[in-house]
Amino acid sequence: DGGITQSPKYLFRKEGQNVTLSCEQNLNHDAMYWYRQDPGQGLRLIYYSQIVNDFQKGDIAEGYSVSREKKESFPLTVTSAQKNPTAFYLCASSISGPGGSYNEQFFGPGTRLTVL
Amino acid sequence: KNQVEQSPQSLIILEGKNCTLQCNYTVSPFSNLRWYKQDTGRGPVSLTIMTFSENTKSNGRYTATLDADTKQSSLHITASQLSDSASYICVVTGTYKYIFGTGTRLKVLA
Repeated sequence: DGGITQSPKYLFRKEGQNVTLSCEQNLNHDAMYWYRQDPGQGLRLIYYSQIVNDFQKGDIAEGYSVSREKKESFPLTVTSAQKNPTAFYLCASSISGPGGSYNEQFFGPGTRLTVL
Repeated sequence: KNQVEQSPQSLIILEGKNCTLQCNYTVSPFSNLRWYKQDTGRGPVSLTIMTFSENTKSNGRYTATLDADTKQSSLHITASQLSDSASYICVVTGTYKYIFGTGTRLKVLA
């Protein structure tokens, strides 16, 4: 099956810990994205990558880090510097960046992170 | 400022009824507009996508319209079903950026 997978589905973190959320896609897409979703707010962009070994900060990158060593993988680390990390995290991919007219984003199932 | 506003925030309807969700945007330049359906605790799934030149697009019981002059879009759901209960998100693509609305939460009651 083609698609995007995220793991784990639920993640619990103690204050002061770093945690890493996994995102894998087998759609052969160049671009990958991480979003944060909070109740009553639209999706907010954390980081995005348009090509392997390159990534850019989004609107709310503070306290997060990413890597893009392989085309199919784009893990997100939530560091202890992120003061309010409890949220639903969504990974997405697209054939290329947002410039194309029909360049649809495909989303993974999400990871719900809770800080204890 | 590039913004996407959706209304209403939430909506409750009876099964079998029709409903219309609204999306107004101020994104410029405009590339395309998508409607996504997001079930609770899941990732969004695309329903329709429209470019500047398209006025209407259907996907089963979902029909989206776009008025590029007034920068408004609507999503009409016909003969609603319980499985339509979800959040519906309007996303506008601007210059190398996707701009998300806050969504409309729809609840369909039996």
